[in-house]
Amino acid sequence: AQSVSQHNHHVILSEAASLELGCNYSYGGTVNLFWYVQYPGQHLQLLLKYFSGDPLVKGIKGFEAEFIKSKFSFNLRKPSVQWSDTAEYFCAVLNAGNMLTFGGGTRLMVKP
Amino acid sequence: DTGVSQNPRHKITKRGQNVTFRCDPISEHNRLYWYRQTLGQGPEFLTYFQNEAQLEKSRLLSDRFSAERPKGSFSTLEIQRTEQGDSAMYLCASSPFVGTERADTQYFGPGTRLTVL
Repeated sequence: AQSVSQHNHHVILSEAASLELGCNYSYGGTVNLFWYVQYPGQHLQLLLKYFSGDPLVKGIKGFEAEFIKSKFSFNLRKPSVQWSDTAEYFCAVLNAGNMLTFGGGTRLMVKP
Repeated sequence: DTGVSQNPRHKITKRGQNVTFRCDPISEHNRLYWYRQTLGQGPEFLTYFQNEAQLEKSRLLSDRFSAERPKGSFSTLEIQRTEQGDSAMYLCASSPFVGTERADTQYFGPGTRLTVL
């Protein structure tokens, strides 16, 4: 079975700091990868996704992620975080059965 | 798109009672998914439908759980004889028509938080 690992459970940053959240997946074949965000009190929203093509994908709100096949990684980055980025971030992989397998999530707190 | 809607948003019940949740997907999305999320964890897949057909069921879905999607529109998830371990957020998601480029992207609803006392 596929698995997704998110290395950081909690991250605290000051505004304007750079962000990188790690995500590793176990599946070795063709993968569809996603990052979802859950702001406090809100539902899961899609940040960005990778299906094929350019391994550097750009999402909403200035986020980007890089798919590195050799490392089974899909890390999320943002050059300068804002207080409004405080949220929980989930990495997920879509498997052949059309089900998403999620990582455990990373809680990001951005201090103003 | 009006988004995926779920009702109720919160449900408190006593152990042993039955509960039913409803999910209304985004209009014309033909795939509908149910996930469960417990505190501090990512969502875990439960089951999914393509139109009215239930195509996949997780091992997490014990015989106390049943899901339906009559007519391929809204879906219901019923839990019979609830247990304290069923306390969780139950999430519904839908995805667009199969064959489109966006078919593999799932859009989530706000969830139903179940508390079993």
